[in-house]
Amino acid sequence: DAKTTQPNSMESNEEEPVHLPCNHSTISGTDYIHWYRQLPSQGPEYVIHGLTSNVNNRMASLAIAEDRKSSTLILHRATLRDAAVYYCILRGDMEYGNKLVFGAGTILRVKS
Amino acid sequence: DTAVSQTPKYLVTQMGNDKSIKCEQNLGHDTMYWYKQDSKKFLKIMFSYNNKELIINETVPNRFSPKSPDKAHLNLHINSLELGDSAVYFCASSQEKRSERDTGELFFGEGSRLTVL
Repeated sequence: DAKTTQPNSMESNEEEPVHLPCNHSTISGTDYIHWYRQLPSQGPEYVIHGLTSNVNNRMASLAIAEDRKSSTLILHRATLRDAAVYYCILRGDMEYGNKLVFGAGTILRVKS
Repeated sequence: DTAVSQTPKYLVTQMGNDKSIKCEQNLGHDTMYWYKQDSKKFLKIMFSYNNKELIINETVPNRFSPKSPDKAHLNLHINSLELGDSAVYFCASSQEKRSERDTGELFFGEGSRLTVL
């Protein structure tokens, strides 16, 4: 399984943007970059994913480096509810046999 | 309506007992999973089923036996419980990606916290 590297923790102020980095230097050409987050006492939830181009959805934006060896999850305006563990995961072409392998993730703390 | 529901949410039991955790999804997905999150918060996949067929079986003791009576259910039975089995167990489901627009995202339940005394 291709590995990702994320900072252990980050802190942000409420209402400010947050940029969560992820390094994945061994990414293969068919690996998608997925982000999930886990709020306290809940199961993980999908945030966003991409392959090569930057992606936007209602929750966040995903900026992918041109060489695909790194990516950044962007929360445009952090709220207290965004405090969670954020996981950056590489996943092969999404056939049913391709599992999600979670790393340690980044603990995001949001200050009011 | 909860998409992926697990029961029980909490389970406290003695070493050596046998227990089951049930999972049901109402999303019409083809694939279901069991993940284990230990005290250090690492999430590890245990099993995956696609249309009632086992497709992923990580290195899990054979005391753990998943059962999928139909594609909407994936239950986890654990025999001879040990202290190290204490963890939060998450069930998840996903739909096999059929087009570029599909995300293939996993939907997780809220977890079942198992405590073995």
